[in-house]
Amino acid sequence: NAGVTQTPKFRVLKTGQSMTLLCAQDMNHEYMYWYRQDPGMGLRLIHYSVGEGTTAKGEVPDGYNVSRLKKQNFLLGLESAAPSQTSVYFCASTMFGPGGKLFFGSGTQLSVL
Amino acid sequence: DQQVKQNSPSLSVQEGRISILNCDYTNSMFDYFLWYKKYPAEGPTFLISISSIKDKNEDGRFTVFLNKSAKHLSLHIVPSQPGDSAVYFCAASASSGGSNYKLTFGKGTLLTVNP
Repeated sequence: NAGVTQTPKFRVLKTGQSMTLLCAQDMNHEYMYWYRQDPGMGLRLIHYSVGEGTTAKGEVPDGYNVSRLKKQNFLLGLESAAPSQTSVYFCASTMFGPGGKLFFGSGTQLSVL
Repeated sequence: DQQVKQNSPSLSVQEGRISILNCDYTNSMFDYFLWYKKYPAEGPTFLISISSIKDKNEDGRFTVFLNKSAKHLSLHIVPSQPGDSAVYFCAASASSGGSNYKLTFGKGTLLTVNP
């Protein structure tokens, strides 16, 4: 039972490079989320999706884009990476929205030099 | 503007004693509250939740108390065990007002349980 799987687990980028983080869930969940965790800042919502083909902005969306072409996948893209995007990124999913508990992936450690 | 506040960055307790983690919120629209636990190099995992229609919810060693008038909730762990050492996040959501799809997290409290 895989749950929520994030790839890659680690990545180092140079400023200006682009990359895509992949999140896949096998629980048939409708809602998916991307959070970033920074020291002393807790978990902040980047973007989220309430169903296949939908996306919406969270509290810190600048510099990121997302797509939800398939229900089980939620992609987070960095178009032109900046050092301020050095962070740990977590994907999460749930069936009933935040009233129901979120299931998180194990995270992606991203460093932008 | 931080809507969910965990004012204690860290807490240290002895094994067997009670751990009390606190959380305050400012948004009166929040009506569902959750606690998550996070170990290093892992994603957060759900621990316990409470709806605003209740003032207490218990699950084994974990109890969450909600004081709506004070906009305050607390997580009690009794007895505390070394395996409880982790970062604990408080989170909240609102079922109306356009925020029902989003969880707002606090900054977390690092709990250390000493043997």
